[in-house]
Amino acid sequence: GQQLNQSPQSMFIQEGEDVSMNCTSSSIFNTWLWYKQDPGEGPVLLIALYKAGELTSNGRLTAQFGITRKDSFLNISASIPSDVGIYFCAGPYAGNNRKLIWGLGTSLAVNP
Amino acid sequence: EPEVTQTPSHQVTQMGQEVILRCVPISNHLYFYWYRQILGQKVEFLVSFYNNEISEKSEIFDDQFSVERPDGSNFTLKIRSTKLEDSAMYFCASSEGGTGAQYFGPGTRLLVL
Repeated sequence: GQQLNQSPQSMFIQEGEDVSMNCTSSSIFNTWLWYKQDPGEGPVLLIALYKAGELTSNGRLTAQFGITRKDSFLNISASIPSDVGIYFCAGPYAGNNRKLIWGLGTSLAVNP
Repeated sequence: EPEVTQTPSHQVTQMGQEVILRCVPISNHLYFYWYRQILGQKVEFLVSFYNNEISEKSEIFDDQFSVERPDGSNFTLKIRSTKLEDSAMYFCASSEGGTGAQYFGPGTRLLVL
């Protein structure tokens, strides 16, 4: 079945640094979604990507839908302490746009 | 900004008991979902619901689970006879269309003793 592989698994950075994380799959995706989850809370949608090659920003966050449709990356510029959390990529299961499959997440820690 | 809400935030129950988790999706959304997340693991799809019927369900969503939209605003997940392994965070989500972004509620933490 479709799998989403996220890397890195965890990151520990200094406040102000830029961050990059990515998500890859052996299968083609038509949509890439990036979510952030704080401990004990629900995932919050950060960016949605619908078209190969699309580059979308949301404040300090930028995400791109890979040309091959098998990968996506998320960048965070000038990190701040509230960026701490787990970042998940997710995409609709093959042939069923309503069922999302998820990566295992990238855990981000920011040292003030 | 509209958001998905869920109640209760926490639920503790004894094994074998029935639980009902409640959700109010975003008002103009037509597609509704339940996911669960066991502690430390990734989010897992349970079921999707559209036009008053289940459109997709996972192998986790067995006969012990059911969903219902009892009125125009609520969407519920019932677990008939809870098992220890049902302990997890349960998230409701909704989307405007059948494709694209799904918006999640804050979750219900279920603990089965």
